[in-house]
Amino acid sequence: DGGITQSPKYLFRKEGQNVTLSCEQNLNHDAMYWYRQDPGQGLRLIYYSQIVNDFQKGDIAEGYSVSREKKESFPLTVTSAQKNPTAFYLCASSIGSVKTGELFFGEGSRLTVL
Amino acid sequence: EDQVTQSPEALRLQEGESSSLNCSYTVSGLRGLFWYRQDPGKGPEFLFTLYSAGEEKEKERLKATLTKKESFLHITAPKPEDSATYLCAVHPGGYQKVTFGIGTKLQVIP
Repeated sequence: DGGITQSPKYLFRKEGQNVTLSCEQNLNHDAMYWYRQDPGQGLRLIYYSQIVNDFQKGDIAEGYSVSREKKESFPLTVTSAQKNPTAFYLCASSIGSVKTGELFFGEGSRLTVL
Repeated sequence: EDQVTQSPEALRLQEGESSSLNCSYTVSGLRGLFWYRQDPGKGPEFLFTLYSAGEEKEKERLKATLTKKESFLHITAPKPEDSATYLCAVHPGGYQKVTFGIGTKLQVIP
């Protein structure tokens, strides 16, 4: 079945450590996105990528980094520079610019900083 | 700045008790309005896209409508399995950015 796979589902990090969240899709979608979800706030865009080897910052990119070396993969690194990293992280994809709002989401990764 | 406001924040219904969720939006040129369903600890699931005022979409017990300033998600005779958080989002077009609302948490009691 086609879909988006995020891993790990739960992750604990000590302060000062970098962590990488994996996102893989087999939907053959061009565009991929990373969102952050916090209680009482709407989904906020961290980074997005329209094509391989190209990505753009979203609204809250500080303290995060991404890469897009393959169409299927869009990993997110949460660096030690991110001051408040505890959150629920969601990866999504879409067919392209025409239907950008029709997003297919993964199951999410919950990051907790100890 | 694009804004999406959803109300109420939480809604508790008896099974079979129909109601509506509201999504008010402010956007410079609406390209699309989207409804998603999110279960606890899961990623959102796409439900509907509405493109222009007057448009309606239906799926089982859900019906979404759109005006120039707001959208409604009508739930007819809900069942406990309809319990979830319903998210509204808007796409203003052009720049690839979708703005999400905080959501309405729906609980349907048997």
